[in-house]
Amino acid sequence: AQSVTQPDIHITVSEGASLELRCNYSYGATPYLFWYVQSPGQGLQLLLKYFSGDTLVQGIKGFEAEFKRSQSSFNLRKPSVHWSDAAEYFCAVSASGTYKYIFGTGTRLKVLA
Amino acid sequence: GAVVSQHPSRVICKSGTSVKIECRSLDFQATTMFWYRQFPKKSLMLMATSNEGSKATYEQGVEKDKFLINHASLTLSTLTVTSAHPEDSSFYICSAKGTSGRAADTQYFGPGTRLTVL
Repeated sequence: AQSVTQPDIHITVSEGASLELRCNYSYGATPYLFWYVQSPGQGLQLLLKYFSGDTLVQGIKGFEAEFKRSQSSFNLRKPSVHWSDAAEYFCAVSASGTYKYIFGTGTRLKVLA
Repeated sequence: GAVVSQHPSRVICKSGTSVKIECRSLDFQATTMFWYRQFPKKSLMLMATSNEGSKATYEQGVEKDKFLINHASLTLSTLTVTSAHPEDSSFYICSAKGTSGRAADTQYFGPGTRLTVL
C-alpha cells in the first residue's frame, strides 16, 4: 500500500540553525512529491514539488528538498531557519495522472529565539 | 497565480442545521477540487474528489448524504454539511487543480473553514 512517513512529530531548532525534515514514502512507481507548510488555522502553502529531472529541488522561502530514489526519501532542508518558519510541515505523494494526495502525518517545527 | 479562497472562514451553528462552505479558484479554472477534513494536530483526511459537472467521488467511510458536494462550475465547489452535529466540528479545507499553467499538476489549497457545531 502507498504510504508517506514523517518520522519526526516535533522538531525544535534555534533561529539561524539548519533544518532537515524527513519524509519517506512507499510507492510502486516514481511518485510526484510535495512539501507544504501550514501556519496555525491556515490552509496549506506549497513549498516545492518534484516530478522528474534534477533531484535537488528549490522552493520558496529558501527551502530545498532532495529526492533519493534509493532511500525512498524526499527530505526538506533549509540552511538557516527564521522564527517565521515555525509551522506544521506536510509531505505528500501522488501518482502521475491522479493528483490524489497521500499526506504524511506532519512535523511541527518550533523555532527558538 | 493559483489562488483558492474559502468562505466562510469560520462558522458556528446549532446542532441539526445545515452549513454550506464555498471553495473558489480565483485565477484559474479548477477541473478538479478536493475536500479535506483536518482534526486538531492531525493530518488531512481526504473526504471526496469532485470533477466539474459530474458527481463527487467519496472516500471510504465518508457519508455521501451527510457531506453533499457540488462542483457546478470551473471555479466553484461547495460542501454542505447536512444536519450537522457536534462530531462534525472540524477544520475543512478544499483544494483545486486546473488543467493548464502552474495549476495543472499541483493542488492549491484554500485557507480552510473552521466549523463548530453546538
